[in-house]
Amino acid sequence: DAKTTQPTSMDCAEGRAANLPCNHSTISGNEYVYWYRQIHSQGPQYIIHGLKNNETNEMASLIITEDRKSSTLILPHATLRDTAVYYCIVRVAYNTGNQFYFGTGTSLTVIP
Amino acid sequence: GAVVSQHPSWVICKSGTSVKIECRSLDFQATTMFWYRQFPKQSLMLMATSNEGSKATYEQGVEKDKFLINHASLTLSTLTVTSAHPEDSSFYICSAKSSGSPNTGELFFGEGSRLTVL
Repeated sequence: DAKTTQPTSMDCAEGRAANLPCNHSTISGNEYVYWYRQIHSQGPQYIIHGLKNNETNEMASLIITEDRKSSTLILPHATLRDTAVYYCIVRVAYNTGNQFYFGTGTSLTVIP
Repeated sequence: GAVVSQHPSWVICKSGTSVKIECRSLDFQATTMFWYRQFPKQSLMLMATSNEGSKATYEQGVEKDKFLINHASLTLSTLTVTSAHPEDSSFYICSAKSSGSPNTGELFFGEGSRLTVL
């Protein structure tokens, strides 16, 4: 089961920063937080992941709270092509492998 | 980044027939692949974990005899929907984890295969 909760939908003005929150209050010490996004009828696209420290790459920044119970994905300058469903995932480590369970995600709409 | 390819991207079949979907990791070896199903306007639901050379592990509620998974090599996993019915119509997505980076564990997803059962 997914261990994350996210708002169902959000809007963001084009050119502005999009801040997408995620709660994962039951996360364990060795579980990573991953963010993926899915544009309609395509496979999910990897964005970023982290364990404890804040992370930044060419796509986004990930801010993880000190207690690790929540995180925020930041798209610094949203464009229309960033309109998608964004999934925050806690990677669960089982004996059979590291499963990714998707929650409901946040549908982000970037408005011109 | 790493590429995962699925084939076919879409398929239409008659009720009662079986359909095979292939998932290939094109530029890396994947000891583990995952199969997901996604209904319209819903999230991805993990169906099973496919391990190269061993039996797949199915999530609760997923019929292993209905959804046959074979992971015969480090670059190929197949999902066969047997005796398909209209309620099996869905978007099936595979993903693979590079065996070379177990700790980061980034998953690479295929483009998905849309199955429509008439």
